[in-house]
Amino acid sequence: DAKTTQPNSMESNEEEPVHLPCNHSTISGTDYIHWYRQLPSQGPEYVIHGLTSNVNNRMASLAIAEDRKSSTLILHRATLRDAAVYYCILRGWEYGNKLVFGAGTILRVKS
Amino acid sequence: SQTIHQWPATLVQPVGSPLSLECTVEGTSNPNLYWYRQAAGRGLQLLFYSVGIGQISSEVPQNLSASRPQDRQFILSSKKLLLSDSGFYLCAWNEGHGVRYNSPLHFGNGTRLTVT
Repeated sequence: DAKTTQPNSMESNEEEPVHLPCNHSTISGTDYIHWYRQLPSQGPEYVIHGLTSNVNNRMASLAIAEDRKSSTLILHRATLRDAAVYYCILRGWEYGNKLVFGAGTILRVKS
Repeated sequence: SQTIHQWPATLVQPVGSPLSLECTVEGTSNPNLYWYRQAAGRGLQLLFYSVGIGQISSEVPQNLSASRPQDRQFILSSKKLLLSDSGFYLCAWNEGHGVRYNSPLHFGNGTRLTVT
């Protein structure tokens, strides 16, 4: 039970921004929100994580709702290489050291 | 910088044969280590994780076992493979020294195992 809900799939045009949503209505105060992505035939790759504030790094931005019950991963300019499965995962005391993956969102990028 | 090595990249084994997959991490000490499996078209399933030498936690009952003979070495084994053991096996690590919920996992490139 990954405790997050994501759309099964999304489609984007190349060079356009992509907003990948994630709902986590039962998040606890100490749960971190992590995002990973998995390109075809590769292992998952860490993208970004946050606790309360919005976060930016070279790969993406993470926007966290004020009540923390949802978050959005933002890819500012999608490229064909961003086509992957994106996983939104909570990490906190309930799972300890473990990272529990759900089904994720399949992102398709059109040229 | 830290790196994770996993081998072999692909493996074809007959049913009933043994299995040994090895994973090593460089550039860090006392990492947490993980084995995941991804069956064809399925999600990632955590099989084992370890917080230190000789300390293994099993998540799913199966005919697989894991061992951590050295700080940065994690081995996945089976005495007799089943057809259902086919899949994509991934090793991962993150910083240890206690539970850290903001510590990302870093994955290897995986081993694609086909049991025939």
